[in-house]
Amino acid sequence: DTGVSQDPRHKITKRGQNVTFRCDPISEHNRLYWYRQTLGQGPEFLTYFQNEAQLEKSRLLSDRFSAERPKGSFSTLEIQRTEQGDSAMYLCASSLAPTGQETQYFGPGTRLLVL
Amino acid sequence: EDQVTQSPEALRLQEGESSSLNCSYTVSGLRGLFWYRQDPGKGPEFLFTLYSAGEEKEKERLKATLTKKESFLHITAPKPEDSATYLCAVPEDNNDMRFGAGTRLTVKP
Repeated sequence: DTGVSQDPRHKITKRGQNVTFRCDPISEHNRLYWYRQTLGQGPEFLTYFQNEAQLEKSRLLSDRFSAERPKGSFSTLEIQRTEQGDSAMYLCASSLAPTGQETQYFGPGTRLLVL
Repeated sequence: EDQVTQSPEALRLQEGESSSLNCSYTVSGLRGLFWYRQDPGKGPEFLFTLYSAGEEKEKERLKATLTKKESFLHITAPKPEDSATYLCAVPEDNNDMRFGAGTRLTVKP
C-alpha cells in the first residue's frame, strides 16, 4: 500500500527563486488538497482538485502560487519569486469523494526554507 | 467564519497520567470532526472521525468523544510514544479542512 508521497522532502532556496513541489496521491483518490503549515499552527488550506479540475483556491494563494493536476493524477505546486514569508511546510492530502465519510490522508510534507 | 479552537496549547504528563485534550468548534451543519496526530517534521496521521453528538471512538489508549460544541480526546495511561501534536479539524462548505492550532503533548517516562 502506498500512501501519499511528496517530493522533495526539503528545499532550501534563495529569495526570488522559483520552486516546484510534487505530490502523488493515493492511487484511487480523486481529490487532492494542498495545505501550508507554519510552526505552532495547524495546516491552512491552499487549494484543491477534483480529478484534474481545480475547484477551490484560498485567498492565501497569491498570484505567485500556481497548482496543476494534469490528467487527474499527481499534482505540482509552484511558487514563483519566493519570499522569506513562504518558508513553511507544504502538505498534500488526498481523499476519495463523494463518499459521505470523506477522510483526507496526508503526505509527509515538503519543508521549504527561503533565505 | 468557522472556528476551531484547541486547548491546552501544550500539555506535559508523566507516563501513566491520564488526561484530556479539548477541541471546540463553531460551524454550521457539522459534517464530521476529525482528529489527527502529527509527529515533528511529518504530515498529520489520521486517527478518528466523529459525526454525531454522543459518538465515541477508541484506538489503543485514545478515546475521542463528541458533543454539539466540542470534542475531547482522552488519553488513558499515556506512554512516551504518545508524545506528538494532536490536531482536530472540521470540513468546511468548500470541502477543505479547517484545523485547530493543535495541542502539543509530551509524556515523560
